[in-house]
Amino acid sequence: DTAVSQTPKYLVTQMGNDKSIKCEQNLGHDTMYWYKQDSKKFLKIMFSYNNKELIINETVPNRFSPKSPDKAHLNLHINSLELGDSAVYFCASSRNWGRFFQETQYFGPGTRLLVL
Amino acid sequence: KQEVTQIPAALSVPEGENLVLNCSFTDSAIYNLQWFRQDPGKGLTSLLLIQSSQREQTSGRLNASLDKSSGRSTLYIAASQPGDSATYLCAVSRGNNDMRFGAGTRLTVKP
Repeated sequence: DTAVSQTPKYLVTQMGNDKSIKCEQNLGHDTMYWYKQDSKKFLKIMFSYNNKELIINETVPNRFSPKSPDKAHLNLHINSLELGDSAVYFCASSRNWGRFFQETQYFGPGTRLLVL
Repeated sequence: KQEVTQIPAALSVPEGENLVLNCSFTDSAIYNLQWFRQDPGKGLTSLLLIQSSQREQTSGRLNASLDKSSGRSTLYIAASQPGDSATYLCAVSRGNNDMRFGAGTRLTVKP
């Protein structure tokens, strides 16, 4: 009965490959997010979807493409993986969208991506 | 450009001690500040959210304060327990879809 789940938990791949990370929430929330946590532990928001509509699209290489087939899912596809993509990627959801991030976010356990 | 700094990077205390974690931010034009807890191998858990018009928020043994003019927030944990061991992150929101996190303070509470 995990609220926000991500698959896979670990992902090791070669440079140049294309990979996807899946996220699902069973909370009935309208808004979902993707964050990247780098080696220095800084979390940065990448994307946010509200009711399947893209709300936030930070300065992220266009090799990264989010896809939201429905409100409960927000997948992250990465093309032509690079060494610098190695990080932990967190998915999160909130009941509604708040441009001031005032809505409580529920985070998934993270996907640890290592690009060799 | 908003920068968020958390000091110390790591803290180890004996069980039962009261402790304070610090967060500072360079741009005082924020809408709110949040404190999160991150456990190893797990996602973040939101602990407290302070609106810019507020001075503090309390939840159980946790008390977070905000001094917007000086660009500082503290998270006070009373009577610490081993279960409090985790990394604590603060994050500030400036609106415009802008949310910035600190690198966190890794807390260890020894039995």
